[in-house]
Amino acid sequence: EPEVTQTPSHQVTQMGQEVILRCVPISNHLYFYWYRQILGQKVEFLVSFYNNEISEKSEIFDDQFSVERPDGSNFTLKIRSTKLEDSAMYFCASSVNRVNGQPQHFGDGTRLSIL
Amino acid sequence: GQQVMQIPQYQHVQEGEDFTTYCNSSTTLSNIQWYKQRPGGHPVFLIQLVKSGEVKKQKRLTFQFGEAKKNSSLHITATQTTDVGTYFCAEANGSSNTGKLIFGQGTTLQVKP
Repeated sequence: EPEVTQTPSHQVTQMGQEVILRCVPISNHLYFYWYRQILGQKVEFLVSFYNNEISEKSEIFDDQFSVERPDGSNFTLKIRSTKLEDSAMYFCASSVNRVNGQPQHFGDGTRLSIL
Repeated sequence: GQQVMQIPQYQHVQEGEDFTTYCNSSTTLSNIQWYKQRPGGHPVFLIQLVKSGEVKKQKRLTFQFGEAKKNSSLHITATQTTDVGTYFCAEANGSSNTGKLIFGQGTTLQVKP
């Protein structure tokens, strides 16, 4: 069964450094998402992306965050200047479309640890 | 903003006992999806409910959507150790139409063998 793949599985970075989290969505999917989950808490929506542009972003997704689909297969999340509170598990997800009823397929996540 | 409340936060049961988690919203939900996250894993889609009063079953799992579309429940009959994990409800899209999921806080199920 096709999967969403994410790299790296774990990223340790000094506060203030830039990080790029990478995702390869399922090939025939058109809608892409990033979520984050702070340890022991719920999954929080960050951003949705379609047709090479952001379709919606949450309050968490401030100017330090950006997303890109640079080459038609990868979907990246960049955090420009990391803060301690950015430590979390980041999940990429994709779906065939956004119509109600379409399940989102999640990757295994990248655990981001900011020191 | 949109909020989906889920209770209980934790549930410990003996293997063979039943388990139920509840999801509530103060506003009418357009739909409700249920996901399961195993310890250390990622959310995995279980099912979606769209219609008022809808009931769907998957083996030992029964999902319900309230008549007013403001609440939903997941019931597991005769739990097994493989049921361990966190169960999340989520509304898809909500007031927007971008596909985003608004998750509840989740219910973490522990099953004692």
